[in-house]
Amino acid sequence: AQSVTQLDSHVSVSEGTPVLLRCNYSSSYSPSLFWYVQHPNKGLQLLLKYTSAATLVKGINGFEAEFKKSETSFHLTKPSAHMSDAAEYFCVVSVRNSGNTPLVFGKGTRLSVIA
Amino acid sequence: ETGVTQTPRHLVMGMTNKKSLKCEQHLGHNAMYWYKQSAKKPLELMFVYSLEERVENNSVPSRFSPECPNSSHLFLHLHTLQPEDSALYLCASSQGLADTQYFGPGTRLTVL
Repeated sequence: AQSVTQLDSHVSVSEGTPVLLRCNYSSSYSPSLFWYVQHPNKGLQLLLKYTSAATLVKGINGFEAEFKKSETSFHLTKPSAHMSDAAEYFCVVSVRNSGNTPLVFGKGTRLSVIA
Repeated sequence: ETGVTQTPRHLVMGMTNKKSLKCEQHLGHNAMYWYKQSAKKPLELMFVYSLEERVENNSVPSRFSPECPNSSHLFLHLHTLQPEDSALYLCASSQGLADTQYFGPGTRLTVL
């Protein structure tokens, strides 16, 4: 069965410093992996998606993530945090032919950005 | 914003009321989903519809009743809810199962 672990429930960074949100996955098949962002009282917005093409995936708002099969990781990074990046971030795995649940969500990481 | 809309955005109801949440997708997708998001809990998948047929029902209480009249519309009918049902209810759609899901803004439900 597939699963996702977001290693930090809360990350706090200063504005202008790098962001690292960590995600590890478990999957018996070749997974598709996603990062979604949710701003307060809003729905989830897709940041980026990995589907077995390039291992370094660039997303919106300057975010990117690298798929590392050997480490079963898909960490989200951004070189320089902006105040508007403060939100909840979800790592998600999808496995075709998985049978039941189409997507498996991590518990989320809340990113705080300090001025 | 995405091509998925939800109405109403906020709803306050008593435990004896009957109400419905509506979701509409303008993306030509074939699959639609209802999720429940409670404070400090992971996102919970409630129902999945593919080509208007329900393909998953994750042990959701019968006081929640989904309806998918066509591939563009999804409803969640609510009756005799409990205060613990208060949450953000999110709708999503995708081209096919396991494809990228696009979310609506959610309905914030408060049950008094």
